[in-house]
Amino acid sequence: GENVEQHPSTLSVQEGDSAVIKCTYSDSASNYFPWYKQELGKGPQLIIDIRSNVGEKKDQRIAVTLNKTAKHFSLHITETQPEDSAVYFCAGEQAGTALIFGKGTTLSVSS
Amino acid sequence: DAGITQSPRHKVTETGTPVTLRCHQTENHRYMYWYRQDPGHGLRLIHYSYGVKDTDKGEVSDGYSVSRSKTEDFLLTLESATSSQTSVYFCAISEWGDANTGELFFGEGSRLTVL
Repeated sequence: GENVEQHPSTLSVQEGDSAVIKCTYSDSASNYFPWYKQELGKGPQLIIDIRSNVGEKKDQRIAVTLNKTAKHFSLHITETQPEDSAVYFCAGEQAGTALIFGKGTTLSVSS
Repeated sequence: DAGITQSPRHKVTETGTPVTLRCHQTENHRYMYWYRQDPGHGLRLIHYSYGVKDTDKGEVSDGYSVSRSKTEDFLLTLESATSSQTSVYFCAISEWGDANTGELFFGEGSRLTVL
């Protein structure tokens, strides 16, 4: 099955700086790679995703890049704000029916 | 917000007792999932369902069983709870297919403490 590794486990940045979180996956058949944000006391929510036929996708301050050859994908957050502080999870698709998640990155944005 | 309700939201129980967590959805999604979240381990898939009475194991299924007798309900049972099953349990729902993204919608979580 799919295995997803995520780094770093914690990330601290100053407000306005950029943050990058990286993930690798094992199943070369995977085609769908989402990122979720989890705020304290809540369930995770999708913030952006990418499919294997696209190398990069942007949504305002958030972007995701995918390198299928190397089997890794990254989340980029620009101009970070305190409200970006949360736990972020990457995930890989397993057999088109489930998501396998990385261990998460706790992002802290200080003002 | 997606219509997902987990119950109970909090439970404290003793080692060896049976526990059932319930997930109820009003979205008529085909797929339902149970994940557990633990510090340092992220979200790990326990079991999932792809239809009524159709279930499959996830990454950490030992010690857990599930049932889905109706589209809207997915039950997670710990037959004999152990302290290692102390965790926050999340239910999620989804649709997969050509016209669907596979996005998971999560419930608010159920915090289980096994003493």
